[in-house]
Amino acid sequence: GAGVSQSPSNKVTEKGKDVELRCDPISGHTALYWYRQSLGQGLEFLIYFQGNSAPDKSGLPSDRFSAERTGGSVSTLTIQRTQQEDSAVYLCAIRQGAYNEQFFGPGTRLTVL
Amino acid sequence: SQKIEQNSEALNIQEGKTATLTCNYTNYSPAYLQWYRQDPGRGPVFLLLIRKNEKEKRKERLKVTFDTTLKQSLFHITASQPADSATYLCALDGGTGRRALTFGSGTRLQVQP
Repeated sequence: GAGVSQSPSNKVTEKGKDVELRCDPISGHTALYWYRQSLGQGLEFLIYFQGNSAPDKSGLPSDRFSAERTGGSVSTLTIQRTQQEDSAVYLCAIRQGAYNEQFFGPGTRLTVL
Repeated sequence: SQKIEQNSEALNIQEGKTATLTCNYTNYSPAYLQWYRQDPGRGPVFLLLIRKNEKEKRKERLKVTFDTTLKQSLFHITASQPADSATYLCALDGGTGRRALTFGSGTRLQVQP
């Protein structure tokens, strides 16, 4: 979507390598989410940032996953020592409305060989 | 555990007919229910939101119903068009806490001209 950009759009990596995925939302949105979508599956919550509060990391599948948000804007999701099961589309979203409507970026398709 | 079920089989209908998609859930008491559209290679796009105290919501050719007793939402597209062909996701929001959405796996709609 126009309000959220993600890079790269596609990433192919070898098993065991580290990857960084970037989310760049338009300014002024305090709530930012990362989700993961595996083939044919629904979106799986990973992590949530709200203002200056400590992030909710309860959805991260393992300690190989981490994320940070700098300056209340750009967020980076890092996956260390990638595994084949990490292959998925990683989506970033911002809270758009009063009732938690969410505005998604186009996603990064990660393929781990 | 919380579970959301959407018909995993694709729904094929003729142009001009009404498409009806179903979202059932268990072990959840959502405050809001949302519907999103997702096209291949893109992030989900918000369509409609309905609150738990609302029975029905309409927006142009779209209509959503929400039955908290049956734990079911129906999503209707009237006078369907080939451009409506996409995957439609329902998402539940507990209304408190981190507000991450819990998504179903989606139903693919194919409208034949």
